[in-house]
Parts: sequence; C-alpha cells; structure tokens
Amino acid sequence: GAGVSQSPRYKVAKRGQDVALRCDPISGHVSLFWYQQALGQGPEFLTYFQNEAQLDKSGLPSDRFFAERPEGSVSTLKIQRTQQEDSAVYLCASSLAPGLAGGRDTQYFGPGTRLTVL
Amino acid sequence: QKEVEQNSGPLSVPEGAIASLNCTYSDRGSQSFFWYRQYSGKSPELIMSIYSNGDKEDGRFTAQLNKASQYVSLLIRDSQPSDSATYLCAVNGAAGNKLTFGGGTRVLVKP
Repeated sequence: GAGVSQSPRYKVAKRGQDVALRCDPISGHVSLFWYQQALGQGPEFLTYFQNEAQLDKSGLPSDRFFAERPEGSVSTLKIQRTQQEDSAVYLCASSLAPGLAGGRDTQYFGPGTRLTVL
Repeated sequence: QKEVEQNSGPLSVPEGAIASLNCTYSDRGSQSFFWYRQYSGKSPELIMSIYSNGDKEDGRFTAQLNKASQYVSLLIRDSQPSDSATYLCAVNGAAGNKLTFGGGTRVLVKP
C-alpha cells in the first residue's frame, strides 16, 4: 500500500514568509508525528497527534510553529515568519496505533520536505 | 549530555567484515529501542527494533540491548557497500509517544 507522503518535497522561502508543509499518513494510522532534521543531525521531535488531538507539542521550537490535523488524517505544519534557522528537513511519520504501552509501534517516515530559508 | 548518544563516525569497514555500532541513552524509563538506516537525502527506514535485554537477530543484523548499562548496539555482519549509510539509534520513552534520536553513525563499507 501507499506509504507516508509529504508535499512539497522542496521549499525555498524568503526570510519572513509563511510556509505550510503537508503530510498524508498511511491510511488508518492513528498516530502522526512531525520531526525536524538539521543537516548532519538526527531527527528531533516536534509534535504528536492521536487522531485529530494534538497530545504533545513540546518540541515545537517557538510560537511561529503550528500544526494541525483537523480530520484525523492529513496534517499540516505551518511556520510563520520563517527564519534562517528554520532551514531543515521536516519529516512526518505515522504509526498504526495510539501510544501502546512501551511505545512498540513502528513509525513509518515520509520522504520529508527540505525547507531552505534565504 | 544528550539523551541518546552515538559516535558520529565515519565507521569505515571493509566489505565482508562486521560493523559494530553503539548507542547509549539517559532515560532509564525507556522501553523501546530502534535502529533506523538513512541513506543520504532519504528518509529513515526501520531495520531493527528491540524491547528486551539480550540479542535479537534478523538476517545480517543483530541488535543487543542492556538496560542496566543503558546501552544498545547494532552489528552488521558480512557488510556490503549497500550498507553504507547513516544509522540512527532511536529510543521511545515510557510515555510511548515520541522517538528520541541520536545524531547517527555514518558507516562506509569499502569494496
């Protein structure tokens, strides 16, 4: 079946512009995660949804970052007034079940959106 | 101290040899441990998961977990040039709702 898809794959923004990144998870997956991966680093957690509920947004770096998943499927990560330090790959992942005990559920990653802020 | 630590490498191994990757973590409540492989410019791909102390083997890959020492490792036997990638160690804590990644170890397998 289809995997996690993300769009756009590449985005170039001028500093101060707003951007919106889309994630389409695997059909039926309850949990959806956003991660930010800077060049040469491991992914860092941004936020987590269980269906339409945003249960953890502790990783969002500032109030310029906002995520939503209004119908419990597609999610959008919005970054307002982009800054150069926002340049990174934004990865979306989904997993089948809500936080199972011990977190054993496999997270499947999309191809990512590479954001470059000039 | 980072929550999940890995040697950044590069770890250079000759083709056919064993590659040994190490990872330490700080949260004693962590319950699930994962190894992801990431090729340059691609997304992470799960290759192994382990939840209990001991060894877990899957083909050429063996994951080892020691919760007392807060240590997880990955062995790649009969390394192939196609194994050249960055290997990410990821840990899921007690809350079970996010992965904490190490910085990754770059592996280079030379023919």
